[in-house]
Formats: sequence, C-alpha cells, structure tokens
Amino acid sequence: DAGITQSPRHKVTETGTPVTLRCHQTENHRYMYWYRQDPGHGLRLIHYSYGVKDTDKGEVSDGYSVSRSKTEDFLLTLESATSSQTSVYFCAINRAAGTDTQYFGPGTRLTVL
Amino acid sequence: GQQVMQIPQYQHVQEGEDFTTYCNSSTTLSNIQWYKQRPGGHPVFLIQLVKSGEVKKQKRLTFQFGEAKKNSSLHITATQTTDVGTYFCAGPNQGAQKLVFGQGTRLTINP
Repeated sequence: DAGITQSPRHKVTETGTPVTLRCHQTENHRYMYWYRQDPGHGLRLIHYSYGVKDTDKGEVSDGYSVSRSKTEDFLLTLESATSSQTSVYFCAINRAAGTDTQYFGPGTRLTVL
Repeated sequence: GQQVMQIPQYQHVQEGEDFTTYCNSSTTLSNIQWYKQRPGGHPVFLIQLVKSGEVKKQKRLTFQFGEAKKNSSLHITATQTTDVGTYFCAGPNQGAQKLVFGQGTRLTINP
C-alpha cells in the first residue's frame, strides 16, 4: 500500500477536550481525505483537501476542522469532542494523479467518554 | 445529494457458497469502484469499472457495471474464509474529486 500513516492509532479522551488526528503521506499527492466509519453508515467524508491550505467540507463536517500547511500532512481537529464523535477515522489519498481511486491509511480508533 | 445504496447490509454464508452484493446510485456515475475491508483493517481498492455494461473478473470475483451506469454488483463464486470482510462500492461525486461510498456489505463465512 501507499505511504500513509495516521497518528495516534488509538485514543481515549473525555467530552469537551480538543483532539487532533494526523495523517501523513509520503506520496506527494495533491488530494487528501478524512472519513469516519460507523456501523450501518459505511464511510462518510468529513473534509478533504485539494492542495496546501485548500480544503472543503464533506457530508459530516460539523464539529470538525482541518488544516493542511504542508503537502504531506493533513490534520483533523475536534475542537470540543463529543460522545457522538466516537468512531474510527480513516485518512485517504488518491492512488495516482488523475485518478479518483483511493489508498486508505490504517485508521485511528477514537473513543470519547 | 448523491446517494449510493448497497444491499444486503449483512450476509452469512457457508464456505463454498456464492455471494453477491448490489450497489445502486441515485445518479449516473462516471465509474464505480469496489473496496474490501478485512475485520480490523482499512479499506483496500479492488477494482474500477468505467464502461457501460462492463464486466471484470479477478479470480473468483466478478464485477459488473450496469448499462445505465447507475448500478453495479460484485459476485464471489465458491466463497473461502479469506473472503471475510466488508465490501464497499463507491462512485465519484459529480463535479468534485471525491467519492460517495455505499454502506457496505459485511460478509461472514461459516467454515
């Protein structure tokens, strides 16, 4: 698979605390994506980026913000975590320039108590 | 907005039986993609279909894209325990470089 890493891989936090998840790629791809995965809902897009400092909202963006200051890093921030944000978060990149097929990172399991 | 529906949500089979999952889009798609996620793992790209009526095979897996480019299916012949996992279809969101995923079909197999 492509060089995508996510950190942390697991995190437990309390309601109301800020949380930042990191996605790092070594492929120099322009497009990066953040999804959440919940039972019965499949993969839902939170935010995506089409370049440094260029981001846009997905279908479930409320309560999340993102930043991309470097091509290789895409950060997802939960400003004030809630229990409804307990989920598995996946980062993805396009598999190659000019294609919309995607490589996924290993995922981050986040639990908000 | 654009929706991609997938059925069934769950399927349990005996090893050796066949398995099929179906995917339907609310809009015409430029292509349809299939991904597999093993338990505890991440989604992995399997295949992309582009042409109307296209059929592609990967060993025991057969993928079809409908004539109207709004539906697709994945059929597995003679399932094996290695086929266990969740299968997702996905289509590009119109006008944007992003995908809309179906809810997935979780396949479990009794050896």
